[in-house]
Parts: sequence; structure tokens; C-alpha cells
Amino acid sequence: DSGVTQTPKHLITATGQRVTLRCSPRSGDLSVYWYQQSLDQGLQFLIQYYNGEERAKGNILERFSAQQFPDLHSELNLSSLELGDSALYFCASSVETGNTIYFGEGSWLTVV
Amino acid sequence: AQSVSQHNHHVILSEAASLELGCNYSYGGTVNLFWYVQYPGQHLQLLLKYFSGDPLVKGIKGFEAEFIKSKFSFNLRKPSVQWSDTAEYFCALTYGNNRLAFGKGNQVVVIP
Repeated sequence: DSGVTQTPKHLITATGQRVTLRCSPRSGDLSVYWYQQSLDQGLQFLIQYYNGEERAKGNILERFSAQQFPDLHSELNLSSLELGDSALYFCASSVETGNTIYFGEGSWLTVV
Repeated sequence: AQSVSQHNHHVILSEAASLELGCNYSYGGTVNLFWYVQYPGQHLQLLLKYFSGDPLVKGIKGFEAEFIKSKFSFNLRKPSVQWSDTAEYFCALTYGNNRLAFGKGNQVVVIP
């Protein structure tokens, strides 16, 4: 158990819908990262927050957004879902830059 | 730009055989390197990491990796694999604000 908690573990939704994935980082970790794992793209960095502020953006679509709340939990919002958005979405956390990153168990999203 | 290359994406070997997975990277700055393992249906778990110091790094479950700066490599080894080592293995490096760049992974199947 890495200490990073993600909900829901599995989600099936229809195209065009919107979903929210939730992440609680390890106790004391200020940085939260979101990654997408798909068969064709592999593991891709989406976005990073540090203590409530967006720190870095990767290959995140405009239909996707995220935020980190004062209690440091984070949410990833995926809207206007397409079949190609089906993937495993990982949240990860670390104390801050230069420290080891620990991953949650992921949220499996299936868009039908 | 940073990149991580892993070759031999599919590896099949028998129990007690030795395993070596290659990882080459490209990055202009100070490099932190990682190997993560993903067991079937599970999340990414940290096997080992290299930040500085002794280039031979020992991790969990009998794995080790050697950082060779002149070759831009961080190969993973295990002298004798077990069936339970069947998993996907990812090499990664951190760049800019502690983001991870992953290789495409090695799918390792150990036959009992």
C-alpha cells in the first residue's frame, strides 16, 4: 500500500459524459501528479499540482481539468468523454521536487 | 528533451533464469532514475531508484540496477527470477519539477 488513495477504482460511462476522479495523496505529500496509462500511448504525464497550485502540464487535453484543494486532495475532471479516453488514470504524490513519487492503485475508466 | 528507451518489450524466461532489462535515457540535466513494476491488474510500485552515490543500486525483491553515466544506461537485473516476477517493468527518469518520463515498458513472463 503506497498511501495514495484513488476513487473510484472502476468506472464505466457513455461517450459525451463527464466524470471526476479523486485522489488523496500520502500524508505529508504536497505534490500530486496525474498520469494516464493506455495501450497505445503508454504512461503519459498529465498534470502536476504542488500545495494547491498548478506546477506543470503535460499531455492533458483541453477537455480535461484538475485541481488540488486546501486539504491537498486532488480531482481530475474528464468531460465530453470519447472512446479513446478509456484508460487507467493514476494519481501519484511526493513530498516535493526531487523526492520519490508514489502511485495510487489507479482508476479504470471505460467509455462505451 | 528527455526520453527513456526500453528494448525487448516482451521477455519470456523460465524460473531460476537470470533477467536483465535494458534502459537508456536522454536528458540534459541531473538525472534521477527509477524502475517501477506493475503486477497484473495492479498499480505501479517502486522497485528501486538512483539519485546519486553508489551507481549499483539494490531494490526490493532481489532486484538491482546499475547506473552507467557514460552509456546513459540504468539496466535492471535479477540473478534468478521466480514466477511471481511476471509483471511489466518500467524505467523512468524525473525532469522539470519532478515529473516522470517513462519508457514503454518490458512485459516479462516467467514460466514455472
